[in-house]
Amino acid sequence: NAGVTQTPKFQVLKTGQSMTLQCAQDMNHEYMSWYRQDPGMGLRLIHYSVGAGITDQGEVPNGYNVSRSTTEDFPLRLLSAAPSQTSVYFCASSRGVEQFFGPGTRLTVL
Amino acid sequence: AQTVTQSQPEMSVQEAETVTLSCTYDTSESDYYLFWYKQPPSRQMILVIRQEAYKQQNATENRFSVNFQKAAKSFSLKISDSQLGDAAMYFCAYSHGSSNTGKLIFGQGTTLQVKP
Repeated sequence: NAGVTQTPKFQVLKTGQSMTLQCAQDMNHEYMSWYRQDPGMGLRLIHYSVGAGITDQGEVPNGYNVSRSTTEDFPLRLLSAAPSQTSVYFCASSRGVEQFFGPGTRLTVL
Repeated sequence: AQTVTQSQPEMSVQEAETVTLSCTYDTSESDYYLFWYKQPPSRQMILVIRQEAYKQQNATENRFSVNFQKAAKSFSLKISDSQLGDAAMYFCAYSHGSSNTGKLIFGQGTTLQVKP
């Protein structure tokens, strides 16, 4: 099993550009989540999904879109990147209590 | 809303000594889980230990143990016989119990330095 994979590992964007952070898991987990990590603030939940076709907002959803068309994939879209979205992004999946995290994507918006 | 607070931004410990990282949380629920995650410089999030709120016994995993004080809403992590590889950022986290949907609420993190 590859576990939770994220691509890319690093990305630099200019303000106003769009991009999609990819996340995939091969463990047949129902739940998938996106977090962002900022210095001094821990990880904060952006969006989450309890199954294919079902998504909901977390603590900091503004500026991000998600969809979940399959159990395996949960992409995070930035439609118009802003410098405030400079952060490290983690995807996670779980079937129950324990969450499995991907390796993270470091995103810089200039 | 639930909150998790880690009031120690940085801690240091001498190799082979013991260190305790603090965490407090706030919730009105009775069914929940608490976790400690380790994040080394590689950035990977690693689960260190977890505690079910309904269990009175404190969880232990080798050199790692917790002091779970439910009434005080306190959940500290004790690392015994500290090793250089323990140097990392540590996050305390909370999740709902029976209505768990995989969502975690994290504290701000504590950076642990281990001195040789």
